[in-house]
Amino acid sequence: GESVGLHLPTLSVQEGDNSIINCAYSNSASDYFIWYKQESGKGPQFIIDIRSNMDKRQGQRVTVLLNKTVKHLSLQIAATQPGDSAVYFCAEGQNDYKLSFGAGTTVTVRA
Amino acid sequence: GAVVSQHPSRVICKSGTSVKIECRSLDFQATTMFWYRQFPKQSLMLMATSNEGSKATYEQGVEKDKFLINHASLTLSTLTVTSAHPEDSSFYICSAISGGASEQFFGPGTRLTVL
Repeated sequence: GESVGLHLPTLSVQEGDNSIINCAYSNSASDYFIWYKQESGKGPQFIIDIRSNMDKRQGQRVTVLLNKTVKHLSLQIAATQPGDSAVYFCAEGQNDYKLSFGAGTTVTVRA
Repeated sequence: GAVVSQHPSRVICKSGTSVKIECRSLDFQATTMFWYRQFPKQSLMLMATSNEGSKATYEQGVEKDKFLINHASLTLSTLTVTSAHPEDSSFYICSAISGGASEQFFGPGTRLTVL
């Protein structure tokens, strides 16, 4: 079946730099995309979402970009901080609210 | 708002025993709850969708007789792992949505270790 996947399993970034996390999805019927942050031993924490009728959405220090042509989703984190170190998952959903999660990217922030 | 809790946060049990995990929506009514399983360094895999007052819908490959789900009220869903074995050791996470909203609110997870 179709699933959401991520390009890179790990990302190391210098504190203060911008981070970009990528995600490829394959289900063209998905109309809702979400980025989650998961710290060790905890449940996923919502970061930002975007619907398929948009190509960009901004939050506090985060921006999600959606390219439906190539089925690509990215999360940009501005001025990365040590507290941003975590595993980041993209997820896709449809009308039935079920989510399919990608493999996850581990972000490590260097001081 | 929109807080989901799980109990217990971690449990260790002997092989062959059954373990019940509770998922509660603390400040909203959850019409639908989801149960996920996450193995170390892997992603979340949806196990089942639970709607209040009706039978859960299980994903392909998930044994409904082994993973019993009950969603008896709008604030509580339970997952019972029956006759647990070491391969059932995992991080179990629930989430909940309210009414027509699409955002899922996740619980903190339950670490199950089967000896």
